[in-house]
Amino acid sequence: EAQVTQNPRYLITVTGKKLTVTCSQNMNHEYMSWYRQDPGLGLRQIYYSMNVEVTDKGDVPEGYKVSRKEKRNFPLILESPSPNQTSLYFCASRDRNTEAFFGQGTRLTVV
Amino acid sequence: SQQGEEDPQALSIQEGENATMNCSYKTSINNLQWYRQNSGRGLVHLILIRSNEREKHSGRLRVTLDTSKKSSSLLITASRAADTASYFCATDGGGAQKLVFGQGTRLTINP
Repeated sequence: EAQVTQNPRYLITVTGKKLTVTCSQNMNHEYMSWYRQDPGLGLRQIYYSMNVEVTDKGDVPEGYKVSRKEKRNFPLILESPSPNQTSLYFCASRDRNTEAFFGQGTRLTVV
Repeated sequence: SQQGEEDPQALSIQEGENATMNCSYKTSINNLQWYRQNSGRGLVHLILIRSNEREKHSGRLRVTLDTSKKSSSLLITASRAADTASYFCATDGGGAQKLVFGQGTRLTINP
């Protein structure tokens, strides 16, 4: 089954404790993205990747890192999480000029 | 930066009625896509319309695109309670392969 898998689904952490949210896709898509969703702000892109070892900043990259060492994986790293990074995060993958497939989301709370 | 802007922000109708949501955008696009999101879940792709297309149908969904006005509309006919969700448009500029989402329309179908 074609899917994008994110883990964990829920995470509560403390300020400053490094964390990684994993994302994996099984469709051999070239393009992968991370979004955050906040009430009233819609989906905002954090980072995206057009291929292995090719990443670029989206609209809200501050406080986040990503890597694309393999085509299927695109982890999101928060080196020092802060409360303003409390949000619902989505990973998505797609091919050029096609629709995106989204993961089920990771609800992150930073206290 | 937000590209797509949906209108209205919220819409409440009776089951069986038609629902129309609009999306406006600012720059040229390669295609425009519509997604549905059930509360807190991942986004699901509904329909993609390319810049050289004017109208597209999928089941009870009808999407139009007017590139001269930089706008699109999503029509859901004969609405059902299960259509209750948030609906997002997303523009694909075709260059950096970024999908840019609007803030969404919250649709409620009353039984």
